[in-house]
Amino acid sequence: EVQLVESGGGLVKPGGSLRLSCAASGFTFSNAWMSWVRQAPGKGLEWVGRIKSKTDGGTTDYAAPVKGRFTISRDDSKNTLYLQMNSLKTEDTAVYYCTTEIVVVVAATPEYYFDYWGQGTLVTVSS
Amino acid sequence: SYELTQPPSVSVSPGQTARITCSGDALPKQYAYWYQQKPGQAPVLVIYKDSERPSGIPERFSGSSSGTTVTLTISGVQAEDEADYYCQSADSSGIVVFGGGTKLTVL
Repeated sequence: EVQLVESGGGLVKPGGSLRLSCAASGFTFSNAWMSWVRQAPGKGLEWVGRIKSKTDGGTTDYAAPVKGRFTISRDDSKNTLYLQMNSLKTEDTAVYYCTTEIVVVVAATPEYYFDYWGQGTLVTVSS
Repeated sequence: SYELTQPPSVSVSPGQTARITCSGDALPKQYAYWYQQKPGQAPVLVIYKDSERPSGIPERFSGSSSGTTVTLTISGVQAEDEADYYCQSADSSGIVVFGGGTKLTVL
């Protein structure tokens, strides 16, 4: 059974930093592309960014609102995904979900979607 | 930046058919994906590649595509289908986009 368990959320002041973790089990983590998706209170889903498997280069992509402030990394030996969040703003307040990302190529066009999700961890940025 | 547009809310009576639309300029070139989210829970994928249904998703959930609009259809709506529904796609550079979400109310 696939399990994704996020941890590390909490209350942090604007300008502060926080690191989230996502412990994965039930699948071959090292082969998986992983993403973070967040949801502000009462709002919709927002993609934060992804990290590819090392086999596919291990590179990262980020959404514009977090680029330059957030860093996604992975430790395949620990089956763990990380989200380092710096220079936090009040608008970063959200539940952060860890997800497995499926990438398929259809007619030479890459397609991206999410099949497994963790239960999320709440990050509150407030003074 | 690329956007997906959904109606904020849809209401139907039990047993009726609910249709939730999602519009975006890139949808003729990219597939759409649909997620169901119930209060306090993580999203669940209910439709992928416009119209495919993952295992375990009831047959009453279906998807279709026409031009710049994709549609999630729930036939014979049940009370348990009351939830928020989000469409999702990606732009040509791999940046993922979600629609704003549609709250389905079962009257």
